[in-house]
Amino acid sequence: SAVISQKPSRDICQRGTSLTIQCQVDSQVTMMFWYRQQPGQSLTLIATANQGSEATYESGFVIDKFPISRPNLTFSTLTVSNMSPEDSSIYLCSVYGGVNTGELFFGEGSRLTVL
Amino acid sequence: GESVGLHLPTLSVQEGDNSIINCAYSNSASDYFIWYKQESGKGPQFIIDIRSNMDKRQGQRVTVLLNKTVKHLSLQIAATQPGDSAVYFCAENEHGGSNYKLTFGKGTLLTVNP
Repeated sequence: SAVISQKPSRDICQRGTSLTIQCQVDSQVTMMFWYRQQPGQSLTLIATANQGSEATYESGFVIDKFPISRPNLTFSTLTVSNMSPEDSSIYLCSVYGGVNTGELFFGEGSRLTVL
Repeated sequence: GESVGLHLPTLSVQEGDNSIINCAYSNSASDYFIWYKQESGKGPQFIIDIRSNMDKRQGQRVTVLLNKTVKHLSLQIAATQPGDSAVYFCAENEHGGSNYKLTFGKGTLLTVNP
């Protein structure tokens, strides 16, 4: 299993500002995944973050808007840049529990409200 | 692209009844499926998974059924309890599950009435 801690758990932000979300895992993992969950919606993958390389972004998400850092095997950050109300969502960090398991563990999420 | 979706957005059941939550998927190459439970204010939590070489898998009070012919997945919860109230998501991938991204369905809100 994996224990994932995210900060902040929630925040209220002003339009045009940027916010960085931190994700800390209690074990070393190769891949970390960042998901977005808009209000009342399902989870959409933003990007996959590998240590030592640039993140891989999914269609519809770009590095300028969602820059990601992955400085080591237990930590990652996601920045939501130049926020607008449409960015109000829950942002979730996730990792796999092990090499041969498909179980994806999630943090509790960071709930952002943009005014 | 391919998508995973659900038949029912909401489901209300009486405590003690059995619940069935359905999911349709469209990617015929998908070979691994997971059900997640998400309680209010929390991250999704793994419930049970199934690989495409199986059509049924049982856990504690939960059973997942897979029908590859019609690309349909279901989650059965026996003797539903108030603590089962949550949003349930199905998810899939086509790489056997390990270390690849999951595609999530839309979610079903399960409400258990006492």
